[in-house]
Amino acid sequence: QVQLVESGGGVVQPGRSLRLSCAASGFTFSSYGMHWVRHTPGKGLEWVAVISYDGSTKDYADSVKGRFAISRENSKNTLYLQVNSLRAEDTALYYCAKEGGWQWLPKYYFDYWGRGTLVTVSS
Amino acid sequence: QSALTQPPSASGSPGQSVTISCTGTSSDVGAYNFVSWYQQHPGKAPKLMIYEVTKRPSGVPDRFSGSKSGNTASLTVSGLQAEDEADYYCSSYAGSNIVVFGGGTKLTVL
Repeated sequence: QVQLVESGGGVVQPGRSLRLSCAASGFTFSSYGMHWVRHTPGKGLEWVAVISYDGSTKDYADSVKGRFAISRENSKNTLYLQVNSLRAEDTALYYCAKEGGWQWLPKYYFDYWGRGTLVTVSS
Repeated sequence: QSALTQPPSASGSPGQSVTISCTGTSSDVGAYNFVSWYQQHPGKAPKLMIYEVTKRPSGVPDRFSGSKSGNTASLTVSGLQAEDEADYYCSSYAGSNIVVFGGGTKLTVL
């Protein structure tokens, strides 16, 4: 069965960085785009970033553009999110989610989600 | 990248039907048939309930249905059951590989 397991979260001071990871199993990772979505109690779900199945295309929400970088290592079935210049408003539970469409035919929905990794930005 | 608009809350009694709206613009909901809905229970990951406006993943009860008219999408839950009480989020493709979510609706089963 499909499994997505996030890691790398923690408590970090404003302005610092973290690298989040998502280990995938149970499907052909290299055939699907992947997303990061975050959840905060006050704002609900917020889409953060997407990467195509082969890593050639990456896009970001305006709120994180220029600070966050999504990447993937298909040989290791792993998705990453480098989060830099962290702000208090980046405090959230970060989920990785599998794209529902296949390869170059994204459908922009998330059919499997991990359990999330918590990032807390605080001085 | 503006969030889609959902009512903060909705409610219904067991057995009743409830509809949750999700209003966007002609650049997202109105432009693409890539609207999806997610159910989230407290402390749990979101679960896909509807995708591509009306499609239901296997395992999702047919009590859940989706529709769209213009810039507004809707999720209808028929025959409400206690376990349907959760937060519900809509999302839509907004062009240029961007996705936007709604603010979420807390569904209460009375």
